Amino acid sequence: AQSVTQLGSHVSVSEGALVLLRCNYSSSVPPYLFWYVQYPNQGLQLLLKYTSAATLVKGINGFEAEFKKSETSFHLTKPSAHMSDAAEYFCAVSDLGDDKIIFGKGTRLHILP
Amino acid sequence: NADVMQNPRHLVRRRGQEARLRCSPMKGHSHVYWYRQLPEEGLKFMVYLQKENIIDESGMPKERFSAEFPKEGPSILRIQQVVRGDSAAYFCASSPRGQGATVGGYTFGSGTRLTVV
Repeated sequence: AQSVTQLGSHVSVSEGALVLLRCNYSSSVPPYLFWYVQYPNQGLQLLLKYTSAATLVKGINGFEAEFKKSETSFHLTKPSAHMSDAAEYFCAVSDLGDDKIIFGKGTRLHILP
Repeated sequence: NADVMQNPRHLVRRRGQEARLRCSPMKGHSHVYWYRQLPEEGLKFMVYLQKENIIDESGMPKERFSAEFPKEGPSILRIQQVVRGDSAAYFCASSPRGQGATVGGYTFGSGTRLTVV
């Protein structure tokens, strides 16, 4: 079954520093990949998605992610962290032809002033 | 996301009672997905429904849990005889048609936080 692994349940970065949240997927066939963000007491909001087009995907709020097949990775980055980026981030995967999206365990991002 | 409406936002039930969680999808969306979120465990898929059909219930516990999405009205996730371990946040998502992932991902509601005392 498809799965994603998010390295680090908590990540802290200083305001203005680079944000890097790691995600590896399990499939040998490139799947669809997503990053979602969850703010406290809210639902999940789609940040960006990879659906086999460009390997560098740009999302909302200045985030982007790069699909690397050789590394089975889909890490999320942002050049300069803002305080408002503090939230939980979920990497997710779906197989071709499958409506179900499988989520990782999440990474809570803390922004230090 | 206010476009997918879940109610109630918070629900407290005593052990042994029934919990009913409601989800109204976005206008024009005919597919609904339910997920459960436990601390430090991410979101676990429970069930995927289309109007009047259960498409995939592979993530539903075998007992006490059921889901429906009638022709009219919201989708309902029903938990009978709740236990402490059912305490969690339950999220509903919707998509306009099948292949929800390829369409661009789901739209999530704000969740129902169930507390069993």
